[in-house]
Amino acid sequence: KQEVTQIPAALSVPEGENLVLNCSFTDSAIYNLQWFRQDPGKGLTSLLLIQSSQREQTSGRLNASLDKSSGRSTLYIAASQPGDSATYLCAQTQGGSEKLVFGKGTKLTVNP
Amino acid sequence: SAVISQKPSRDICQRGTSLTIQCQVDSQVTMMFWYRQQPGQSLTLIATANQGSEATYESGFVIDKFPISRPNLTFSTLTVSNMSPEDSSIYLCSVALQTGGRPPGELFFGEGSRLTVL
Repeated sequence: KQEVTQIPAALSVPEGENLVLNCSFTDSAIYNLQWFRQDPGKGLTSLLLIQSSQREQTSGRLNASLDKSSGRSTLYIAASQPGDSATYLCAQTQGGSEKLVFGKGTKLTVNP
Repeated sequence: SAVISQKPSRDICQRGTSLTIQCQVDSQVTMMFWYRQQPGQSLTLIATANQGSEATYESGFVIDKFPISRPNLTFSTLTVSNMSPEDSSIYLCSVALQTGGRPPGELFFGEGSRLTVL
């Protein structure tokens, strides 16, 4: 059974700090690893997708990496801002399926 | 990315009633998915809505409780039937885009429908 774990469950940092969010998965037959952002009471916004053949993806201040051998992905946020405050979710799919298995998320608070 | 609209955005419902949630996409998509997010929990897939055939349900979810329609490639509905307080959740519609240079398997979500059952 696929399981996705995110640690820590919550993180509070001062504005301007660089930070790393962690995601681990049990299924090595990963196809895609996708990071999302969820604001309170809202839907999910896709941030980055890493395909199994890739090691990392970057978008602006965000960088996501994927290490299939260790079953880990990280989301690096540079120069954090209060507007980055949200819950960050990672999710994986297996090959041949577009069904996502989600972690429980990391709730990030960036303090001004 | 696609524009995915869900209605209603939120509702308060009485126990024993049913509610239908609509999902409209601004482009044709092959597969649409319905997820549930219970309070404090992550997202769980309810079913895959297939155009022209019955939905495919995940373990623990049944058609009688969560009937799904998919009349065309841009629209789907999810009904939550005979609701109880345990059905209080955010219900989210999701689609995969195969056009516009997007990588295969990237999924996009609607804003969600927050249901509270009293």
